Amino acid sequence: QVQLQESGPGLVKPSQTLSLTCTVSGGSISSGGYYWSWIRQHPGKGLEWIGYIYYSGSTYYNPSLKSRVTISVDTSKNQFSLKLSSVTAADTAVYYCARGIQLWFVYWGQGTLVTVSS
Amino acid sequence: EIVLTQSPATLSLSPGERATLSCRASQSVSSYLAWYQQKPGQAPRLLIYDASNRATGIPARFSGSGSGTDFTLTISSLEPEDFAVYYCQQRSNWCSFGQGTKLEIK
Repeated sequence: QVQLQESGPGLVKPSQTLSLTCTVSGGSISSGGYYWSWIRQHPGKGLEWIGYIYYSGSTYYNPSLKSRVTISVDTSKNQFSLKLSSVTAADTAVYYCARGIQLWFVYWGQGTLVTVSS
Repeated sequence: EIVLTQSPATLSLSPGERATLSCRASQSVSSYLAWYQQKPGQAPRLLIYDASNRATGIPARFSGSGSGTDFTLTISSLEPEDFAVYYCQQRSNWCSFGQGTKLEIK
C-alpha cells in the first residue's frame, strides 16, 4: 500500500520560502507513469493544484504560482519536495502531497498546515 | 485556465434519499473529469474518474455521468457516511478543482 507523508515547518515568516518534503513508502518514486503532485487547501476553502513532477523529472506548475514554485525529487530518499518563495498570508493553507496517475489522485498524504505569520 | 463551477453550494438531504451534484466546466474537458469526497480533517478520496468510472473500492451507489462541459455525480441512496464535501476536478488542461458542494444532513 502506497503511503505519503508531508513534513516541514508549520510556521513560515512572510517573504520567506516555504519548504515541504513528501516521503513515499510502499512504492518507488521512480516507478513509471506517476505524477507526484502538491495540492493545497486554504482554511475552509477548496482545493488548489500547485504542480507536479513526473517520474521522468519533468515538471509543470499552476500558472498562477509558477514564478514562485519549485518541485524537485530525491530518488535516493524516495522523496519529493516543494519550495514556494516570497510567501504571504495568502499562502497559509493545508498542503497535501499526492500521487496521480493520469492526474487522477488516488493516494494522498494526510496534509500539513503551514501558517505564514511573523 | 478551465474553471469548474459546482452546484448547489450546499445540499440538504436525508439518509436514503438520492443526491444529484453538478459540475460545469468553462470549456469542454471531454471526459477528463473526476469526483472526490472529503470529510473534515481528512484528505480527499477519489470516487469517480474519466467522468463515469468508479475508483477501486467505491460503492456502486456512487455514479458519474456527463461529457464536454456538464457533469453529474449521483448518490443513489444516501448512507450516513456520505455526508461530506464533494469536489470535481478536470485534467483536460492541466489540473483544476471546483469549489465544492457540501452535502449535509437535513
